[in-house]
Amino acid sequence: NAGVTQTPKFRVLKTGQSMTLLCAQDMNHEYMYWYRQDPGMGLRLIHYSVGEGTTAKGEVPDGYNVSRLKKQNFLLGLESAAPSQTSVYFCASSYRAGGNQPQHFGDGTRLSIL
Amino acid sequence: EDQVTQSPEALRLQEGESSSLNCSYTVSGLRGLFWYRQDPGKGPEFLFTLYSAGEEKEKERLKATLTKKESFLHITAPKPEDSATYLCAVQAGRDDKIIFGKGTRLHILP
Repeated sequence: NAGVTQTPKFRVLKTGQSMTLLCAQDMNHEYMYWYRQDPGMGLRLIHYSVGEGTTAKGEVPDGYNVSRLKKQNFLLGLESAAPSQTSVYFCASSYRAGGNQPQHFGDGTRLSIL
Repeated sequence: EDQVTQSPEALRLQEGESSSLNCSYTVSGLRGLFWYRQDPGKGPEFLFTLYSAGEEKEKERLKATLTKKESFLHITAPKPEDSATYLCAVQAGRDDKIIFGKGTRLHILP
């Protein structure tokens, strides 16, 4: 079982460049999330989606955009990368929200902005 | 303000030395508390969900417990392969907001 797959695994960008991170899940989950993880900060929610065609802002949405055109895919875009966006990005999915639905995570995309 | 605090930040134990990790929380309307394990270079891996005070869950050498203010992850006779970062997350409120703690880095020495 693939679960949650993130592409690419590593990327180095120059300041001002743009890129898109792809997340794909094969568990037919309704909810999908994008987090960033920084040393000493824990996981912080960037954007999330409660279903195909819907997106919402999380705790740290500035500088990022997302799209959920298909149920199984959730894309995270950086329009003009900044060094402050150097981080490890994790995608997660869950069947739905609610206290009994754990999130399933991908293995992350390590992004460096020079 | 909703908060999740994990302690200690880091813990070094000898193989076989039992201990507990703490996750304390202040939220309104707890829907669930989750424990995850994260290995270096990997994403968090789900371990347990706890819903109400008094509940306990067990898996191999791990046991998670929940009170109204905190959760403990008890590790009994740990092995080196239990070394990882353990994350606690709380889901709460009408909007089902999920808040993660910063984790406890556990290192088991052989």
